[in-house]
Amino acid sequence: RKEVEQDPGPFNVPEGATVAFNCTYSNSASQSFFWYRQDCRKEPKLLMSVYSSGNEDGRFTAQLNRASQYISLLIRDSKLSDSATYLCVVSPYSGGGADGLTFGKGTHLIIQP
Amino acid sequence: SQTIHQWPATLVQPVGSPLSLECTVEGTSNPNLYWYRQAAGRGLQLLFYSIGIDQISSEVPQNLSASRPQDRQFILSSKKLLLSDSGFYLCASMIPGERNGYTFGSGTRLTVV
Repeated sequence: RKEVEQDPGPFNVPEGATVAFNCTYSNSASQSFFWYRQDCRKEPKLLMSVYSSGNEDGRFTAQLNRASQYISLLIRDSKLSDSATYLCVVSPYSGGGADGLTFGKGTHLIIQP
Repeated sequence: SQTIHQWPATLVQPVGSPLSLECTVEGTSNPNLYWYRQAAGRGLQLLFYSIGIDQISSEVPQNLSASRPQDRQFILSSKKLLLSDSGFYLCASMIPGERNGYTFGSGTRLTVV
């Protein structure tokens, strides 16, 4: 079983729409959760950390469901600049575990004008 | 905040040639450092991680090696490249105990021909 699974997409979404995607993880002991954004041929960049209570940053909302072991990302009022690959990232540590983070393969999002 | 310098940005090397990729970190001390590879259409694969000078852990068997001669310097090497070594190599840094995930370098796109 893969440790972190994501629907690879692509998700084709019209500009201004709301889009959501999920990610499931297999390690029930996971403690830290993140969403990263990766533009084509660029390095991943942290979009947001995901906290147990859920968190919102502008148009972006992240939720964590520990019971079902999934994380979600919601993007409202999508912009053309939101087009990217979104990586779900999980760690068994609450902070700075030595052996690093586990990445999903990413969900490709295309915002269409 | 920390900054990761990684070079070169692009590299084309013949099969059997050696490789040396360098990553340096600014703005923090004693970070955990990581080398990842992202092959075309695939997720991020952890290659090596280091929690301190000369302390290297390898995640997958391969013809690559890593070294950390200084606290903020991480080097990825190979004596003889294979075609399968082509990919996007990313250096990442994480501050132990913090919950902010990784900071990535801008990556090296390696093509072995």
